Amino acid sequence: AQSVTQPDIHITVSEGASLELRCNYSYGATPYLFWYVQSPGQGLQLLLKYFSGDTLVQGIKGFEAEFKRSQSSFNLRKPSVHWSDAAEYFCAVGANYGGSQGNLIFGKGTKLSVKP
Amino acid sequence: ETGVTQTPRHLVMGMTNKKSLKCEQHLGHNAMYWYKQSAKKPLELMFVYNFKEQTENNSVPSRFSPECPNSSHLFLHLHTLQPEDSALYLCASSRDDKGNEKLFFGSGTQLSVL
Repeated sequence: AQSVTQPDIHITVSEGASLELRCNYSYGATPYLFWYVQSPGQGLQLLLKYFSGDTLVQGIKGFEAEFKRSQSSFNLRKPSVHWSDAAEYFCAVGANYGGSQGNLIFGKGTKLSVKP
Repeated sequence: ETGVTQTPRHLVMGMTNKKSLKCEQHLGHNAMYWYKQSAKKPLELMFVYNFKEQTENNSVPSRFSPECPNSSHLFLHLHTLQPEDSALYLCASSRDDKGNEKLFFGSGTQLSVL
């Protein structure tokens, strides 16, 4: 069965510092991989997604993520965090090759706080 | 503004009440979803509709009853809920229900069951 693990429940970084949020998945084949962000009082917004091809994926708001098959990871990075990045971040894994949204599994999320 | 609108934003109801949550999307999408978001738990898919037909029911108790009259509107009818049903209920839509489609979420309805 597929699963997603986000090991860090809460991370605090200083504004301007670099950020890396971890995501590990368990899936038998190459999955679809997503990162979503949820600001307080809002729904989720897609940051980026990986299906195939280049393992380094660029997303919105200056975020990127790298798919590492050997480590079953899809970590999210940003070189310089802004105060507006404070939010909760969700990694999700879906079934490739014709899978439906019913197969999409979300992690428990990592809450990011940004210090001035 | 994501193009997915949910009403009401907040709802407080007693266990014997009947209420409905509404979701409307203006994106021309064919698939719509209900998710439940509880504290300290992963986002849980409840129902999936594709072209108005229900394609997923993730073992949701019958006290939750979805309705999708057309591809733009989705309702969640609630009756005899339990306190553990208190959560944020999120509606989402996508072009279709394939696994590679981007989901567009509404801001959710924060439900409290007393």
